Amino acid sequence: EAGVAQSPRYKIIEKRQSVAFWCNPISGHATLYWYQQILGQGPKLLIQFQNNGVVDDSQLPKDRFSAERLKGVDSTLKIQPAKLEDSAVYLCASSIGLPGVQPQHFGDGTRLSIL
Amino acid sequence: GESVGLHLPTLSVQEGDNSIINCAYSNSASDYFIWYKQESGKGPQFIIDIRSNMDKRQGQRVTVLLNKTVKHLSLQIAATQPGDSAVYFCAEGGGANSKLTFGKGITLSVRP
Repeated sequence: EAGVAQSPRYKIIEKRQSVAFWCNPISGHATLYWYQQILGQGPKLLIQFQNNGVVDDSQLPKDRFSAERLKGVDSTLKIQPAKLEDSAVYLCASSIGLPGVQPQHFGDGTRLSIL
Repeated sequence: GESVGLHLPTLSVQEGDNSIINCAYSNSASDYFIWYKQESGKGPQFIIDIRSNMDKRQGQRVTVLLNKTVKHLSLQIAATQPGDSAVYFCAEGGGANSKLTFGKGITLSVRP
């Protein structure tokens, strides 16, 4: 079974620029998550989709971050404009989407550096 | 507030010994717990999970123990190998929205 695919693996931009990340979840997984992981910390949930609808975006800085999952499969996360504190690894995860908590499977993330 | 935490930031063990990684949680409503392993430059990798109706679950070389009375979770790794060196995270969840809350992580270092 193919895992969660993310691209790019690395991105370096200057502050105030914009950036986008792409995620392709495991085939058949209805639930998709975006996490931010700052060095030395555990992943922090930014947004959760069930199919193409948003379930939880309470920790997404909506003034600069946006995400979409238009066809209920792939997803993109965008930051515009980027700030220095956005330097982190952005992880995408997916789960099968049954009711209740299920194991989430992660991609290898995009490492974002803001100069 | 609600939090998931780990008692020790680092753990060093001798190859071949058993490792025990501990985790405390504070949300009594959590009914699902999961352990992840994260190697440098990679995403978290699922190890084992347990639901609150169980107190022990075994996998290949790993065992998770859940003590709901004291809100404590542990991961036991038998015959620790160099490939087990990584950062380990516990996470808790509950409810219908399947949200997980992660702890800060503990580094396991295996001495040859």
